[in-house]
Amino acid sequence: QKEVEQDPGPLSVPEGAIVSLNCTYSNSAFQYFMWYRQYSRKGPELLMYTYSSGNKEDGRFTAQVDKSSKYISLFIRDSQPSDSATYLCAMRPIIQGAQKLVFGQGTRLTINP
Amino acid sequence: EAGVAQSPRYKIIEKRQSVAFWCNPISGHATLYWYQQILGQGPKLLIQFQNNGVVDDSQLPKDRFSAERLKGVDSTLKIQPAKLEDSAVYLCASTSPGGTNYGYTFGSGTRLTVV
Repeated sequence: QKEVEQDPGPLSVPEGAIVSLNCTYSNSAFQYFMWYRQYSRKGPELLMYTYSSGNKEDGRFTAQVDKSSKYISLFIRDSQPSDSATYLCAMRPIIQGAQKLVFGQGTRLTINP
Repeated sequence: EAGVAQSPRYKIIEKRQSVAFWCNPISGHATLYWYQQILGQGPKLLIQFQNNGVVDDSQLPKDRFSAERLKGVDSTLKIQPAKLEDSAVYLCASTSPGGTNYGYTFGSGTRLTVV
């Protein structure tokens, strides 16, 4: 069983739709949770991070963490064609110095105009 | 702030040949990582440096992969000899000790094709 599971998609939605991306994990030591966006032929860029259960909002993006269920989500409201990319969840334990991130497989998202 | 620089951007080699990738992290970032991203998969850590010392190389195939970070700044990753399954994007990332809550800054990667 992989430590982090993410549906690879692909996911295709019309412009303006609400997008939900999800990851599950098995390691209860994970405490920091991040979402990266990766455009084609580019490196991943950090989109959002959180370290507690609950919701965190940033503009059109909302990150949600449910540690009891070992489940994290990223919601994109009013999706735009420029949001078309691969979205990677990533997580790590809170141990000082142990900065290794474990990534999900990535979900390929296309927003159709 | 300049980003993480990597070169070359693309490389095509035949199996059993050797190849080297170079990374220059963000100035002042003590921690440097090399990740391997196979097509359709998430990045997988190969090696982590703290300054010029290795912190984690547990997933580095040491029979063919090697990495160094002389002087605690630039880093090189080498593959010798390459196999077909090494075809992937090799990503370099860096972070500062106080920036662990914010994830890494990645370079654009080197896309390796082994034929």
